[in-house]
Amino acid sequence: EVQLVESGGGLVQPGGSLRLSCAASGFTFSSYAMIWVRQAPGKGLEWVSEISGSDGRTYYTDSVKGRFTISRDNSKNTLYLQMNSLRAEDTAVYYCAKAGLGHFDYWGQGTLVTVSS
Amino acid sequence: DIVMTQTPLSLPVTLGQPASISCRSSQSLVYSDGNIYLSWLQQRPGQPPRLLIYKISNRFSGVPDRFSGSGAGTDFTLKISRVEAEDVGVYYCMQATQFPYTFGQGTKLEIK
Repeated sequence: EVQLVESGGGLVQPGGSLRLSCAASGFTFSSYAMIWVRQAPGKGLEWVSEISGSDGRTYYTDSVKGRFTISRDNSKNTLYLQMNSLRAEDTAVYYCAKAGLGHFDYWGQGTLVTVSS
Repeated sequence: DIVMTQTPLSLPVTLGQPASISCRSSQSLVYSDGNIYLSWLQQRPGQPPRLLIYKISNRFSGVPDRFSGSGAGTDFTLKISRVEAEDVGVYYCMQATQFPYTFGQGTKLEIK
């Protein structure tokens, strides 16, 4: 059974940093791209970043480029999102998801990040 | 960026009746391999998104066959043949053809 479990969310002041983790199980982690998607309170879904399975290529939405870094440790079956210079508008539930071919078939339960003073 | 526009944004439906959600993309979703990476997700209240349909019309594992997807070009549709109580939630279309991946605004399905 595929499982994705996010952790690392919490309350952080504007300008602060946070690192999210997504522990994966039930599939060959290194073989699949992974993404982060966020959802601001009461709003829709926004794709944040993707990392490929094997060669580690990364992609970001413009609003987080230069501030967020996606990475993975295939030996630990874990996906990460390092978030720096956080802003109020980064407040959201952050979901990790496993990629199929052009779709995202399994999603975690999400972790809430609140940026506020 | 590719803009995904869903209609309607609110969809009240009587139990047992059909429902239909449209999604239009601002440009072609055909990828270089010839595939169209358009999917539909369901988000029940308080839950994470769940994949329903991928590549326009392929039902994901475990998804009831009352859900179906269709479309071509820039116009796509999700249909529910007979709405059940467990179908309440928000439905999103999503394109993964071109970065940044983008979602529709969401359609909130409720029971009349």
